[in-house]
This record gives sequence, structure tokens and C-alpha cells, in this order.
Amino acid sequence: SQQGEEDPQALSIQEGENATMNCSYKTSINNLQWYRQNSGRGLVHLILIRSNEREKHSGRLRVTLDTSKKSSSLLITASRAADTASYFCATEMDSSYKLIFGSGTRLLVRP
Amino acid sequence: GAGVSQSPRYKVAKRGQDVALRCDPISGHVSLFWYQQALGQGPEFLTYFQNEAQLDKSGLPSDRFFAERPEGSVSTLKIQRTQQEDSAVYLCASSLEHYYGGYTFGSGTRLTVV
Repeated sequence: SQQGEEDPQALSIQEGENATMNCSYKTSINNLQWYRQNSGRGLVHLILIRSNEREKHSGRLRVTLDTSKKSSSLLITASRAADTASYFCATEMDSSYKLIFGSGTRLLVRP
Repeated sequence: GAGVSQSPRYKVAKRGQDVALRCDPISGHVSLFWYQQALGQGPEFLTYFQNEAQLDKSGLPSDRFFAERPEGSVSTLKIQRTQQEDSAVYLCASSLEHYYGGYTFGSGTRLTVV
């Protein structure tokens, strides 16, 4: 069973636009991570945000975390065609090491 | 090596056949995980090793699934008497410690049971 729900399931935007993906989860967490997966490839770690953090930036990525709402968002600014991939949030619960993944958002960036 | 290596990349098995999937983690990585990813879904946890010790196998779907890491480096996931519902991508991930910084995933093995 998966803890996370991601919204939207699919997103199609024009190159240069911003893309926002949302993730909701059910139980308290130690941290939340975002991964990217290109078709037929493994997962690439993008960013990790701890439960006591509210916002984090890495290059064109901005992640927010609202533990009161049990939700997170990933913003990709100035998108590029190479950003086309599936994006997954994954939560690591307190005193655990397992990652519980959401069902993913499939992002298509049209050139 | 520079990354987590998994082999084979693709495996087609006849129903009832046994398969073995290999994972070469990054050298020195203590923690190793196996995940199963069904088509269109996120990965689901199968099992976790710290060095050679299998600390958690709660995600293994049945006793047909068995994983080992005898020397604390290479790991093998074995599936006996494969069934069609075993068709999925099997992902291996490793990390230096058990968290903080994210995990490095391999490209996975796509298993198709026919």
C-alpha cells in the first residue's frame, strides 16, 4: 500500500512555464523526498526536506512542506523539455528507514 | 562503481520458473534496499539490509521471494515459481547510512512473466 497521493496524475506544459506537483501523506514523517524517474530508468533523488523545515530550494526546484496538512509541493521553474519524466514523493516515517512512495505525477514539457 | 548496478536489465520468465536478480551497490554503502514497481505505480518496499544482516523483510509479498546479501555487498533477489503478478520492475537502492541525503537507485530489472 502507498502512503502518498500525488496530484495531478499527469501534467502537460509548455517549455518555460512552471510546473507544480502536490503530494499528500497520511502519517507523521521524519522527512519527505522527491525523486524523478525517466521512462525505463531508475529513480534519481532530487531533494529532501526534513519535518522541521518548511521550504527548500535546489536550482530550479522549490519544495514546500506543511506538516499540519500533511502535504508537500514541488515547483519546477522555467521548465525544459528535459524535465519530462515522472516525479514521485516519498516519505520516511519516524524511526523507520523505508521510503513510502506516492503514485507519481507524469510531467510532459512540450518544446 | 560509480552507481548502483543491476542485472539483468530485462528478464522474461515462463510461469513457474525461478529467477535471480542481482544488485551491485555503490562500494562502501552499508544500507541496501529492494523495491518493486508495478506499471504506472510508485515503488513499494520489499526488504532492507544493513551490511549482511536482513533487518526487514516485511514487504516481501510471499515466501516465494527471498533476498540475500551474504558478504555485505552484492545482493540477490530470488523469486521462486514465478507467477504473472510478479511482473514488475525490481529496483535496488543503496546508501552510506540508512538515511539523510536520499538513496541511490539502480536502473532496475524489468521482469515479465509469461
